[in-house]
Amino acid sequence: DIQMTQSPSSLSASVGDRVTITCRASQSISGYLNWYQQRPGKAPKLLIYSASSLQSGVPSRFSGSGSGADFTLTISSLQREDFATYYCQQSHTTPYTFGQGTRLEI
Amino acid sequence: EVQLVESGGGLVQPGGSLRLSCAASGFTFGNFWMSWVRQAPGKGLEWVANIQQDGSETYYVDSVKGRFTVSRDNAKNSLYLQMNSLRAEDTAVYYCVRTGYYDSGDYWGQGTVVTVSS
Repeated sequence: DIQMTQSPSSLSASVGDRVTITCRASQSISGYLNWYQQRPGKAPKLLIYSASSLQSGVPSRFSGSGSGADFTLTISSLQREDFATYYCQQSHTTPYTFGQGTRLEI
Repeated sequence: EVQLVESGGGLVQPGGSLRLSCAASGFTFGNFWMSWVRQAPGKGLEWVANIQQDGSETYYVDSVKGRFTVSRDNAKNSLYLQMNSLRAEDTAVYYCVRTGYYDSGDYWGQGTVVTVSS
């Protein structure tokens, strides 16, 4: 199985900050990398697919980049509603594994 | 509006069985791959299984192979997960997920809770 490793596991930031979360795959996954946001008690929400494509309705302060095995999610200016847990997922090869998550805290 | 509504969760003893259902609406169900993803209490997300549009192809994570079966009924706009030989480690919230571009999960249900305990 392809292992997905996110860093950091947790992150403290303030409203207005720019933050970056990194995701590394154990092998090349081309551009098959997705990012999700999960708020407590809620289902995950797709933010970015294909490494850098913004899902419809997602604010433009979210962006993704990378290819091969190294990827990043950037939030350009944190808003209060962005404090949540973020997961990367590879959809190159089944099982479509997730990273362990990055908890973004105030 | 796309809606996915899971049902069928509950408390079951180790070794028991459950069948989860997901009712889909707001899109042409038969045109999309569908998946199940689970989340154990306080843990991260785990992809469980997926199924092709006509049900002819299915894939599973190793930990559930031979115990879980994913199926669908396109006439009823429904996705299913038959879970047999349940173990304590199967305890989780189970999400029904529509597969979008690049096999991403573009729509998620609210989840149904499965608890395996004696």
